[in-house]
Amino acid sequence: QKEVEQDPGPLSVPEGAIVSLNCTYSNSAFQYFMWYRQYSRKGPELLMYTYSSGNKEDGRFTAQVDKSSKYISLFIRDSQPSDSATYLCAMRRGITSSYGKLTFGQGTILTVHP
Amino acid sequence: DAGVTQSPTHLIKTRGQQVTLRCSPKSGHDTVSWYQQALGQGPQFIFQYYEEEERQRGNFPDRFSGHQFPNYSSELNVNALLLGDSALYLCASSLGGNNEQFFGPGTRLTVL
Repeated sequence: QKEVEQDPGPLSVPEGAIVSLNCTYSNSAFQYFMWYRQYSRKGPELLMYTYSSGNKEDGRFTAQVDKSSKYISLFIRDSQPSDSATYLCAMRRGITSSYGKLTFGQGTILTVHP
Repeated sequence: DAGVTQSPTHLIKTRGQQVTLRCSPKSGHDTVSWYQQALGQGPQFIFQYYEEEERQRGNFPDRFSGHQFPNYSSELNVNALLLGDSALYLCASSLGGNNEQFFGPGTRLTVL
């Protein structure tokens, strides 16, 4: 079983829709959670970085963390065609035990059509 | 402010050859991590360099080695290339190992 599971999709939505992307994880040592966006043939771009359980909002993006359920989500409001990309969840252990190694999900391919 | 840069952009090698990939971190960052991303998969951690030392290593064989220079730039070396080494190799930099990691555009390696 992989430490981080992410539905690869693909996910196709109309412009303006609310998109929900999800990851589950099995290792309770994960303490920090990230969402990256990766356009085709490009490097991942950091979108959200969270630590606590709860919600964090940045513009049209909301990251949600539920440590008790080992479940994280990214919501995209008013989705745009420019949001079409692969979305990767990533996580790492606490400061004293990981030196920053990120463990990624497989990535979800999102297409927003006009 | 330049972000993370990597060179070359693309590389084609044959089995058994050796390759060196290069990374310059974002200004102000002192830590470099390397990841391998196979097609359709998430990145896999190879190793991390801090203060010119390999600080942590993922599940990769000794054919994968690296180096960090005093200016914090880094190299990834892969010996005895296999077909399965074909992937996008990503470099990420951070200030210390436990802060946000910012990725470069990657080097796409094809092994024939």
